[in-house]
Amino acid sequence: DAGVIQSPRHEVTEMGQEVTLRCKPISGHNSLFWYRQTMMRGLELLIYFNNNVPIDDSGMPEDRFSAKMPNASFSTLKIQPSEPRDSAVYFCASAMGWELFFGEGSRLTVL
Amino acid sequence: KNQVEQSPQSLIILEGKNCTLQCNYTVSPFSNLRWYKQDTGRGPVSLTIMTFSENTKSNGRYTATLDADTKQSSLHITASQLSDSASYICVVSAGNNDMRFGAGTRLTVKP
Repeated sequence: DAGVIQSPRHEVTEMGQEVTLRCKPISGHNSLFWYRQTMMRGLELLIYFNNNVPIDDSGMPEDRFSAKMPNASFSTLKIQPSEPRDSAVYFCASAMGWELFFGEGSRLTVL
Repeated sequence: KNQVEQSPQSLIILEGKNCTLQCNYTVSPFSNLRWYKQDTGRGPVSLTIMTFSENTKSNGRYTATLDADTKQSSLHITASQLSDSASYICVVSAGNNDMRFGAGTRLTVKP
């Protein structure tokens, strides 16, 4: 299995632009998580889905962030409009049971 | 206050030496505790996962211990190698995908 696949790996954009991050979970995993990692705050859970249904989105910082999981093999995290403070590495992880498998992350820089 | 506290924040050791990383938690109820290794620029990778009844678990040169009474865990690395240089993250789960992340310990192994 190729593992959790995220794209893009790197994104540089200007403040105010829309950003869409993509994730393909491991086939057969029924839970998908979006995390944000910064030096200051470490890893923070933004939202997670179980069987494609959003279960807990309390970590989503504000209305500018939205996430969707239209099917079991694809999820998106969208930021609109983006701001410099959104600069971070965004990780997607999938799980079946307790074990989390992380993707390689999408490094976002908002200028 | 973070419910998962890791120490030290950073550590530098010489190649071949042993080291121990600490994780104290207040998460309750307790479901399981995991240690992840995160190489620079990569996603975290699971090293061990421990449940309430497990006191020790090994994965090669990595040995994790858990004292559920004192709510402490340690990760011992034996005969360190340059490739052990990474951040080590302790994650405590309260069940139902409610996971709390420590800030991590940044380990540097020098030749």
